[in-house]
Amino acid sequence: DAKTTQPNSMESNEEEPVHLPCNHSTISGTDYIHWYRQLPSQGPEYVIHGLTSNVNNRMASLAIAEDRKSSTLILHRATLRDAAVYYCILRDGLNQFYFGTGTSLTVIP
Amino acid sequence: NAGVMQNPRHLVRRRGQEARLRCSPMKGHSHVYWYRQLPEEGLKFMVYLQKENIIDESGMPKERFSAEFPKEGPSILRIQQVVRGDSAAYFCASSPPTRTAYEQYFGPGTRLTVT
Repeated sequence: DAKTTQPNSMESNEEEPVHLPCNHSTISGTDYIHWYRQLPSQGPEYVIHGLTSNVNNRMASLAIAEDRKSSTLILHRATLRDAAVYYCILRDGLNQFYFGTGTSLTVIP
Repeated sequence: NAGVMQNPRHLVRRRGQEARLRCSPMKGHSHVYWYRQLPEEGLKFMVYLQKENIIDESGMPKERFSAEFPKEGPSILRIQQVVRGDSAAYFCASSPPTRTAYEQYFGPGTRLTVT
């Protein structure tokens, strides 16, 4: 059963920042927060992960609330290639991922 | 370094037949995970394997489904006596043999259609 809650869909204009929220109020102290995205007819692709501190990489930034009960994936400049379903996932100590239904991001040119 | 490979990419089976889905992990990876994705839904964890061991099969249906990851060769997800409800995309992922592997690398999936 999914342990995260995300909006079903979001829209963004091309080249504008996108903030994708995720609630995980039942997160445990050892759960990592991962984000993956899935393009149509493809397998999920790793985006970013974190535990407590905010994280940045070449694809995105991850902002984690101080109480860790929510997080936000930030795409700094959305492109058409960023249109996908974004999954916020908790990884437990056994390295198992619990996927929710994700947020379908539409990027408007 | 080739990514995770799955074959076949598409598989059609009649009700009652057997389906065998294969997954070759990335080079050097010894952990394999199988997930099932029904249309318009997220991925559901099925089973987690290491070489010659099933670590967690809590997501596997109790009947007709089995998985293995032999010492040599790909991991196999086997579905016996398929039914229409088994139609889905099945994804395999792999990760390195470290205690805290941060990423899972996913294959392109096998789309099973049961007619």
